[in-house]
Amino acid sequence: KAGVTQTPRYLIKTRGQQVTLSCSPISGHRSVSWYQQTPGQGLQFLFEYFSETQRNKGNFPGRFSGRQFSNSRSEMNVSTLELGDSALYLCASSLVVSGDITDTQYFGPGTRLTVL
Amino acid sequence: AQKVTQAQTEISVVEKEDVTLDCVYETRDTTYYLFWYKQPPSGELVFLIRRNSFDEQNEISGRYSWNFQKSTSSFNFTITASQVVDSAVYFCALSGAHNTDKLIFGTGTRLQVFP
Repeated sequence: KAGVTQTPRYLIKTRGQQVTLSCSPISGHRSVSWYQQTPGQGLQFLFEYFSETQRNKGNFPGRFSGRQFSNSRSEMNVSTLELGDSALYLCASSLVVSGDITDTQYFGPGTRLTVL
Repeated sequence: AQKVTQAQTEISVVEKEDVTLDCVYETRDTTYYLFWYKQPPSGELVFLIRRNSFDEQNEISGRYSWNFQKSTSSFNFTITASQVVDSAVYFCALSGAHNTDKLIFGTGTRLQVFP
């Protein structure tokens, strides 16, 4: 079974631009979460989607947004890019079979965003 | 608040040495989950293990073993007979009991295994 895929793998943008990152979860997985990884702040949670609904959100400004499609694929968007948005953006998917039990999150290879 | 502490920033060992990576967590939840992930230079976080708070049995998987002790809020990871391919950053993470809960990561431990 194919793992989580993220596109593009690398991006270079300039301040003020916007960017859209894409994530395709493992087949059958219905939840998608996004994390930002930087040397200074480590791994931080951005948001989680399930059935096209955002169920949880981290402490990031409104410039960071996301969505999930009916096929569980997800995109995240960052508008008005700042230098500090340079990071590795990781997407993770989990199964969510039934109930309310925490499932394992499986991560993709990430998108490395550089803001100049 | 939930928190994960990995006090060891970087560990260097020579191949075939055993190495233990420490993880201490804080949570007020009675039900929670603990994870270990490996991040090689390629950047992808590779899942290693998941443990729930009611299962304190130690686990062994090949050269990897995990020691979960609720009394000390620790979930340590040992690699036996380390190999160069084990070189990576290892993250310990904590999550609540609900599938909407996020992963709280530690700062990671960089393990370098020299031949």
